[in-house]
Amino acid sequence: DAGVIQSPRHEVTEMGQEVTLRCKPISGHDYLFWYRQTMMRGLELLIYFNNNVPIDDSGMPEDRFSAKMPNASFSTLKIQPSEPRDSAVYFCASSFSGRETQYFGPGTRLLVL
Amino acid sequence: QQQVKQSPQSLIVQKGGISIINCAYENTAFDYFPWYQQFPGKGPALLIAIRPDVSEKKEGRFTISFNKSAKQFSLHIMDSQPGDSATYFCAASWNTGKLIFGQGTTLQVKP
Repeated sequence: DAGVIQSPRHEVTEMGQEVTLRCKPISGHDYLFWYRQTMMRGLELLIYFNNNVPIDDSGMPEDRFSAKMPNASFSTLKIQPSEPRDSAVYFCASSFSGRETQYFGPGTRLLVL
Repeated sequence: QQQVKQSPQSLIVQKGGISIINCAYENTAFDYFPWYQQFPGKGPALLIAIRPDVSEKKEGRFTISFNKSAKQFSLHIMDSQPGDSATYFCAASWNTGKLIFGQGTTLQVKP
């Protein structure tokens, strides 16, 4: 298995632009998680899905952030409009049944200028 | 009450020494306590995990010690090696599948 796949790996954009991060979970996994990692705040859970349905989005910082999971093999995290404080590494992770190991992707390093 | 507090923030150990990282939690509903290891430029990966029905779990050079009454758990790395240099995160979860991560500990093992 290729593991969790994230794209792009790096993104540099200007303030005000829309940013879309993509994730392909491991086949057969029914939970998908989006995290943000910064030096100041550590690893924060933004939102997670079970069977493509959002379960908990309490970690989404504000309305500029949205996430979707249209099918079991694809999810997006969108930031519109982006701001410099959104600069971080964004990780997607997936797991089977939610009680087992979470497998993280390689992350997307986002820089908003 | 949802927090997991991790210490120290950074740790330097000589090769062959023992590395110890501690975590504390408040929510007694937590029933799964994993440790994740993260190398620079990579995503975190599960290292070892424990459930509260046991007080210790060992996998190779890595041991989790769990103290349910004190609501604390720790990671011990025996015979630390330079290849163990990484950031370590403790975490906790309950039946929702949602992991609450500690702030992380950056470990440097000097040759």
